[in-house]
Amino acid sequence: AQSVTQLDSQVPVFEEAPVELRCNYSSSVSVYLFWYVQYPNQGLQLLLKYLSGSTLVKGINGFEAEFNKSQTSFHLRKPSVHISDTAEYFCAVIYSGGSNYKLTFGKGTLLTVNP
Amino acid sequence: KAGVTQTPRYLIKTRGQQVTLSCSPISGHRSVSWYQQTPGQGLQFLFEYFSETQRNKGNFPGRFSGRQFSNSRSEMNVSTLELGDSALYLCASSTSGVSTDTQYFGPGTRLTVL
Repeated sequence: AQSVTQLDSQVPVFEEAPVELRCNYSSSVSVYLFWYVQYPNQGLQLLLKYLSGSTLVKGINGFEAEFNKSQTSFHLRKPSVHISDTAEYFCAVIYSGGSNYKLTFGKGTLLTVNP
Repeated sequence: KAGVTQTPRYLIKTRGQQVTLSCSPISGHRSVSWYQQTPGQGLQFLFEYFSETQRNKGNFPGRFSGRQFSNSRSEMNVSTLELGDSALYLCASSTSGVSTDTQYFGPGTRLTVL
C-alpha cells in the first residue's frame, strides 16, 4: 500500500537552531512530494513541492527539502527557526503511476520552537 | 483573491443525525477535494470533484457523499452520524485537480458528534 512515514511525531527545538523533519515514502516509480504546514485552528498551507528536476527544493519561510530517490526520503530543513515556525508539518505524496491521483499524507510532525 | 471558505466552522450533532458541510473554492478553481483529519488516523482523502463530477474517491463508507455545483461550490454530506465521525473536515481547491497543481486548503469545519 502507498504510504508516507514521518519518523518523528514531535520535534522540540530552541529558537535560531537548525531543524530537520524527516519523511519517507513507499518506493514507487514516479512520485510528486509535498510539505504542508498547519497552524493552530487553520487549514494547510503548501511550503514546497517536488515534481521533477533539481532534487533540492526551496519553499516559503526559509524552508527547503531534498528529494532522495535511493533512500525514498524527502526531509524538510530550515537552518534557523523562529518562534513563529511552531506548527504541525505534514509530508504528502502523490503516486503518479496511475490515472487517479490522491494526496497521501503522513501523520504529521509537531514542531515546537522554544525561546 | 478570496481564499477557500468553509461553512460552518463548527458544528455539533448527535449520533444518527446527518450533516452537510459547504466549501466555496477560490474563484476560477474547478477542482474541490475533501479530507478528514482526526488525531488517530491523520489526514485522509475523502473524494475529489471536478466540473461537477466525482473524479476520485477514498476508502470511506457510503454514508459519506458529496456533490459539486456548476459554480464549483461543493457540499459534503454525512448521514447516520457516528461518534467516530468527529473530526476536522478540510476542503481544498485547485485549478485542474489533485496532481502537480497546488492545493489551497480552507480553514476546515470542526464536527463534533455526541
